[in-house]
Amino acid sequence: DIQMTQSPSTLSASVGDRVTITCRASQSISSWLAWYQQKPGKAPKLLIYKASNLESGVPSRFSGSGSGTEFTLTISSLQPDDFATYYCQQFNNNLYTFGQGTKLEIK
Amino acid sequence: QITLKESGPTLVKPTQTLTLTCTFSGFSLSTGGVAVGWIRQPPGKALQWLALIYWNGDKRYSPSLESRLAITQDTSKSQVVLTMTNMDPVDTATYYCARRLVTKYAFDIWGQGTMVTVSS
Repeated sequence: DIQMTQSPSTLSASVGDRVTITCRASQSISSWLAWYQQKPGKAPKLLIYKASNLESGVPSRFSGSGSGTEFTLTISSLQPDDFATYYCQQFNNNLYTFGQGTKLEIK
Repeated sequence: QITLKESGPTLVKPTQTLTLTCTFSGFSLSTGGVAVGWIRQPPGKALQWLALIYWNGDKRYSPSLESRLAITQDTSKSQVVLTMTNMDPVDTATYYCARRLVTKYAFDIWGQGTMVTVSS
């Protein structure tokens, strides 16, 4: 099975900051990576698919990059609504795996 | 408008079989490239993918749970059913169903989730 490792597990930042979350795959997954945002008590929301494609309706301050085994989610200027938990998810050989999550907290 | 909604018991006893239904609208599981999956999340923990069923009836399961899972579709009712056998307290979680499109290889629309507690 492919393992997904996110870092950091927790990130403290302020409104207006630029933040980056990293996701590493245990083997190459090409560009089959997605990013989700989840707020307490809510279902996850798709932000990025195929590593760098912005889902419709998602603000342009979110961006994704990477391929192979290392991927990043960047928020260019944090807004109050962005404080949440973020998950990466890979697709390979018709199987899916999520990362363990990164909690983005207000500093 | 595309929606998915999970339904099923909120409480099951250890060793029992869990049956969850995902009822969806706004899309068809008969359309090429469409799939519906199940994902769960134990309280305070990460998301875990469980199973997926494709428009053509093909099915995929998480290797760690494959022996306990079965996913089926009722196209006429726009429903996908997940069964999980031999439930254990560690299976206590919120269970989500979600749509996956082949163009994205990601779950773009999610249900609200249903909390299932396993306890005697």
